[in-house]
Amino acid sequence: QSVLTQPPSVSAAPGQEVTISCSGSSSNIGNNYVSWYQQLPGTAPKFLIYENNKRPSGIPDRFSGSKSGTSATLGITGLQTGDEADYYCGTWDSSLSAVVFGGGTKLTVL
Amino acid sequence: QVQLQESGPGLVKPSETLSLTCTVSGGSISRYYWNWIRQPPGKGLEWIGYLFYSGITNYNPSLKSRVTILVDTSKSQFSLKLSSVTAADTAVYYCARDLPGTTSRTFDIWGPGTMVTVSS
Repeated sequence: QSVLTQPPSVSAAPGQEVTISCSGSSSNIGNNYVSWYQQLPGTAPKFLIYENNKRPSGIPDRFSGSKSGTSATLGITGLQTGDEADYYCGTWDSSLSAVVFGGGTKLTVL
Repeated sequence: QVQLQESGPGLVKPSETLSLTCTVSGGSISRYYWNWIRQPPGKGLEWIGYLFYSGITNYNPSLKSRVTILVDTSKSQFSLKLSSVTAADTAVYYCARDLPGTTSRTFDIWGPGTMVTVSS
């Protein structure tokens, strides 16, 4: 079982928006930055969001991140078929002294 | 453009030691944190540990007794050794760099990954 909890799957139609939640505790999300990654089938993960809500250069503003308390959320607007992927949240866990990830959420664009 | 490439045996026997190398090209290995992360088939990501270019390391407590990460700055490489492997260690192994300029433990550059199977 993953330390961070994500829904196994989400789906939406092209052009619509979707949110993916990531739930943790005070030892991880509550007191540390959250990052988000996109993993297309058969490829290495690619980072989308860091420090809860910052996008690196090259990541479109359709992707956004937020954090409240011990939960974080990834939002994707204007869904495209190319967004179909697995999405992972990650953060540092101060109690475990380790980076922890969510179990991943599979996004299907119907 | 910094690039990472994992290399090593794709098949390891149970109880033996898994050894992988990550080669850093297109940039310096110095002044950064470097990580190993793995992903069992069909499952999520698991952080194995990091190494600072000076040699300082930090390992996932769940693997700490079996893991060693070393650096060879002269070759721009860092390595992973995982001892006493079992079938549960079968996974795609990634090397990745910490995003510089932040304490967020975000991995900004990843290698393509290498599949390692533990089987006799």
